[in-house]
Order: sequence, then structure tokens, then C-alpha cells
Amino acid sequence: NAGVTQTPKFRVLKTGQSMTLLCAQDMNHEYMYWYRQDPGMGLRLIHYSVGEGTTAKGEVPDGYNVSRLKKQNFLLGLESAAPSQTSVYFCASSYSGLAGEFSLGEQFFGPGTRLTVL
Amino acid sequence: AQKITQTQPGMFVQEKEAVTLDCTYDTSDPSYGLFWYKQPSSGEMIFLIYQGSYDQQNATEGRYSLNFQKARKSANLVISASQLGDSAMYFCAMRENAGNNRKLIWGLGTSLAVNP
Repeated sequence: NAGVTQTPKFRVLKTGQSMTLLCAQDMNHEYMYWYRQDPGMGLRLIHYSVGEGTTAKGEVPDGYNVSRLKKQNFLLGLESAAPSQTSVYFCASSYSGLAGEFSLGEQFFGPGTRLTVL
Repeated sequence: AQKITQTQPGMFVQEKEAVTLDCTYDTSDPSYGLFWYKQPSSGEMIFLIYQGSYDQQNATEGRYSLNFQKARKSANLVISASQLGDSAMYFCAMRENAGNNRKLIWGLGTSLAVNP
């Protein structure tokens, strides 16, 4: 089991460039999340998905788009990167539990992507 | 509104001693879960321990235990017999069980340094 993987690990962009961050999980989890982590700001939720084909906005969605075409993949896109999007991006996934089944629902995290926008 | 507060930006502890990291929360949902994660300098987020709002006993996982005081809305993490490898950022998070998204609300974290 690879768990949650993120591609790429590092990236440097120029202002206005676009890119896509890929998150993949092999745990058959329904829920997936994209966070950004900035010094002193903790983890902030960008977008999340409760299943294939569904996405929803989190706390800081502006400037980002997401897609969940396959259950195992969750893509985060930056259409026109800005220096304010310099951050470490984490993807996470969690299990919803079957009907009537208790599940802690802890989130499993990828290793992160360090993005710098110049 | 739901909120997690970690009032200690930084903590120091001597190796082999115990340390308590504070976490208070605010929610109106009677059913919720509380999580603690560790983030070492390498950056990965590691799940440590979980406490459910209806759990009768405090959660324990090895050297980690949770001092859950529901009336005070606190869920402090206790690390016993600290080791050098415990030096890391520690995050408290809460999930309200109402709704179907399993989102977590995060605190800002506490940086723990274990001194030899």
C-alpha cells in the first residue's frame, strides 16, 4: 500500500503560470481533501470531495479548482498562479465507513507539495 | 461557530519527562470527534490519537493519552516519557459528526522541543 501520494513534491512557478497537483490514494477512501499550510496559519481546507464526481469548496477556495473524475484521484489546479499561493499543499483522504459501521474517519495525509510562485 | 484553540505556540520538555499540550474546542454539536496529529520536521502528518464525544474513557495509544474534559471543552494531549523523536509540531483537530463530509477543524499547532 502506497497510501496517499502527491505529485510533484516541489515546484517553482512564475506568476500567471498554471499547474495541476495530483493526489492519488489506494485505500478506496470516499473522502478526499486539499489543504494548504502556511507558517503560523495551521492547515486550511481548500476544496474537498465526498465521492467520485463531487467536489465542494472549503475555507480558502479562491484561485483553485479541483476535479475528482476517479475515486482514487483528486486533482488541484491553479489556473493563474500568484505569489500568495506559495505554500505547502497537502492532500488527505478518509474512509466514510459502511452504513451502521463505526469509523474513526481519521485523515491520511500525503507527503505534501512545496510550491513557490515567483 | 466551531473552533479549535491551541494556546501554546511552543513548549520545551526534558527527555523522559511527561508533557501536556493544551487544546480547547468550541462546538454546539453533541456528537463530535477530536484528533491529534504530529508533524515532524520532515513534514508528514501523522495521526496519533482519537477521542469521541461519547467515549466514557480517555483515549490512550502507547505513550500518548488524551485528557478529555467534556464540560471544560478541553482535549489535552499527554505524552509520557518524552523522547527526542517527539520533537515536532502537534495539531489538535475536531470533526463535527453532523453532516456528511468528515471535515476537520484545525488548531494552529504547538511546537514541542524535547531537550536531551
